[in-house]
Amino acid sequence: GIQVEQSPPDLILQEGANSTLRCNFSDSVNNLQWFHQNPWGQLINLFYIPSGTKQNGRLSATTVATERYSLLYISSSQTTDSGVYFCAGSGNTGKLIFGQGTTLQVKP
Amino acid sequence: EPEVTQTPSHQVTQMGQEVILRCVPISNHLYFYWYRQILGQKVEFLVSFYNNEISEKSEIFDDQFSVERPDGSNFTLKIRSTKLEDSAMYFCASSDRANVLTFGAGSRLTVL
Repeated sequence: GIQVEQSPPDLILQEGANSTLRCNFSDSVNNLQWFHQNPWGQLINLFYIPSGTKQNGRLSATTVATERYSLLYISSSQTTDSGVYFCAGSGNTGKLIFGQGTTLQVKP
Repeated sequence: EPEVTQTPSHQVTQMGQEVILRCVPISNHLYFYWYRQILGQKVEFLVSFYNNEISEKSEIFDDQFSVERPDGSNFTLKIRSTKLEDSAMYFCASSDRANVLTFGAGSRLTVL
């Protein structure tokens, strides 16, 4: 099955800094989503991005499907960005395979 | 924005007891899922459900687990006889045909 690898596993930033999170897939995916898990455990859908680039405020994501990776950019980070970021992918079904996540801590 | 609603938010139960976790998916979605996350670990797929039957399940989803859509709005996960290792956050999700999943806030299950 599909394997998902995320890097880095942990990231500490000062407020205002920028960061890039990476997600590699072992096989092609038709569905790719990025999630933010907040301190209360909720999984918030950030992007559905099987290919191309999308932006939403300070966040943007790029997926290069042919090379089987996706990047999540966080600009001007804020303390509320803290939490765990997961990427997940699937083939033609909704069976998403999640990565291990990147734990982000933004310090004031 | 439409959301997936889960109840209860937290349940504590004794080992061996039956537990039912409930979910109300987004109203026009056709595909329903349960995932679980053991504390500190990644989110794992349990089961997907479409057209009133299971379409796919993982090896975690053994005979102790069952899912049901008892009416037009609810989607439930039943654990027949809970074990300590069933302690986890259980997430319900739903999707439209595009398979963009929207997750609920989760139900935290603690088995003592």
